[in-house]
Amino acid sequence: AQSVSQHNHHVILSEAASLELGCNYSYGGTVNLFWYVQYPGQHLQLLLKYFSGDPLVKGIKGFEAEFIKSKFSFNLRKPSVQWSDTAEYFCAVNKYNQGGKLIFGQGTELSVKP
Amino acid sequence: EPEVTQTPSHQVTQMGQEVILRCVPISNHLYFYWYRQILGQKVEFLVSFYNNEISEKSEIFDDQFSVERPDGSNFTLKIRSTKLEDSAMYFCASSLQGAGGYTFGSGTRLTVV
Repeated sequence: AQSVSQHNHHVILSEAASLELGCNYSYGGTVNLFWYVQYPGQHLQLLLKYFSGDPLVKGIKGFEAEFIKSKFSFNLRKPSVQWSDTAEYFCAVNKYNQGGKLIFGQGTELSVKP
Repeated sequence: EPEVTQTPSHQVTQMGQEVILRCVPISNHLYFYWYRQILGQKVEFLVSFYNNEISEKSEIFDDQFSVERPDGSNFTLKIRSTKLEDSAMYFCASSLQGAGGYTFGSGTRLTVV
């Protein structure tokens, strides 16, 4: 069965620090990959997605993610975080080219200290 | 930007009661979903709906759950007899193609007492 694993449950950073959140998935076939963000009290918002092509994907708010197929990984990065990036971040996967469900990781809570 | 609208934002219900959670997906989207997030846990898939029928459902989506698209704009999730463990945030989502690009609603927080 597909599963998604996010390595860090809670990350605390100071403003301007660099961020990398790990995400690994287990699925042998071709997948679509997503990162969602959930700000406190708000709904899930899409940060970025990977379907095919360049494995380095740029998203909104200065985030990017790199798909490394050999490692089954899709880590999220940001060179310099801001206090407003405080939120919960979810990695998700679904099967390529199918109207399928999203499988979510357990989420990483990011706290950015001003 | 088009939004997925969910109502109510918060519902409190007594155990054993029926609840209906409502969603208005984006108008030209074809695929509809319900997910839930129990407090402190991951977001879990419940059901997907396409072409007026369920296309996939999880083991969570048992006989107590049903979905309906009654009028071409609303998409509802009904829980027939709520249990305490149904307390969660329920998210509706829709997509045009089904392979990704989901838009999520802001969620309904269901509290069963």
